[in-house]
Parts: sequence; C-alpha cells; structure tokens
Amino acid sequence: DAGVTQSPTHLIKTRGQQVTLRCSPKSGHDTVSWYQQALGQGPQFIFQYYEEEERQRGNFPDRFSGHQFPNYSSELNVNALLLGDSALYLCASSLDLSGNTIYFGEGSWLTVV
Amino acid sequence: QKEVEQNSGPLSVPEGAIASLNCTYSDRGSQSFFWYRQYSGKSPELIMSIYSNGDKEDGRFTAQLNKASQYVSLLIRDSQPSDSATYLCAVNIQGAQKLVFGQGTRLTINP
Repeated sequence: DAGVTQSPTHLIKTRGQQVTLRCSPKSGHDTVSWYQQALGQGPQFIFQYYEEEERQRGNFPDRFSGHQFPNYSSELNVNALLLGDSALYLCASSLDLSGNTIYFGEGSWLTVV
Repeated sequence: QKEVEQNSGPLSVPEGAIASLNCTYSDRGSQSFFWYRQYSGKSPELIMSIYSNGDKEDGRFTAQLNKASQYVSLLIRDSQPSDSATYLCAVNIQGAQKLVFGQGTRLTINP
C-alpha cells in the first residue's frame, strides 16, 4: 500500500520564478493538505483540498495556490518566489476533513537563491 | 501567545532513562492531540494520538493529556539512541479542521 508520494524531492529555484510541487495521497484518502516547514520550525498549514476544492486556507499569500485532480492527487504552486519561501513542503493526506490523523509524504525541499 | 508551544530544547537524556516532552496549547476547546517524530532531513511520522484526559500507552511511549491545564506530554521509557529526533506536538484547534504544530523539541539520547 503506497503511502503519500511527493515530487520532486529537491529543487533549486531563483527568486521571482514559479514552482509546482506534486502529491499523490495515500490509497483510500481523498483529502490533501499542504504544509510549509522552515528550518527549525514546526510545519505551518497552507491549505486543504477536498473534492477538488480548497476547503481551508492558512495565513499564506495568494502567491501560494493549489489544485486537486479527480484522482485526488494535488499540486502546490508558488509564484514570484522569495528567498523566504525556502523550506520543506509537506503534503499530507487523510480520510476526511476533520484534520485528524494526517499522514505526511517525504516532502519536497525547495531552495530559492 | 502561540497556539501550540513547546520547549525547543535541545533535551539530552541518557540511554535507558525516561524522556519527558511537554506541550501547551491555547485553545481550550481543542479535542485532538498528536505527537509526531521527525528525524533530521525526514518528514514527520505520527507516533501517538490522544483525545481524552489521562494517559495513553503504546509500547515505550505514553501520551498524557490534561485539558483543564491545556497541557499534553509525551514520555519515552527506556530511551534508545534511535529515539534521538525532533518531536512535534500538534493540536487540532476546535473548528479549524487543521493541525497546528508547535516548533518541536529536539531530543538527544546519549549512549
């Protein structure tokens, strides 16, 4: 049973560029959340997708956007990258919208130079 | 006040001793609490969940919840070097349907 898978695992981008990160949820899970984890900090909630709609959003600017596809996979897009966007981006999947018992993928390490 | 607070450590514990990790939260209505373990360079891994006041034991791990004091803790008995990691406390803030994480406590088990 595949867990949450994310791609790419590592990437380097230049300030001002755009990036797309991808996630496939754990089998049987239909809800996907994205978190940003800066070095030395806990993960911070970006947004949550269910039935192809954004259901919850954290305190992140509109430069952060996402999408969920009919097969429940999801993308996180970040436009106009800033140095401060350098972080580990974690995708998490769950069985429902409750926010409980989420399972993380291995993450995508983004470095903005 | 942060929604979820943890002592960032580092916390050093000798091998075989009990490691005690603490977390406080601000929202009195919170109902679900979680502990994640994160090894350096890896993603967080769920190790314990607790929903009711009291203790919940799973192997060498015990989670303790005191809603009146808005306090949740994790005890690791017979600590092993492989327990060295950052431990993240997460709370499902009432009505938010999302997990709010503390900054994590870095634990080192010394052989």
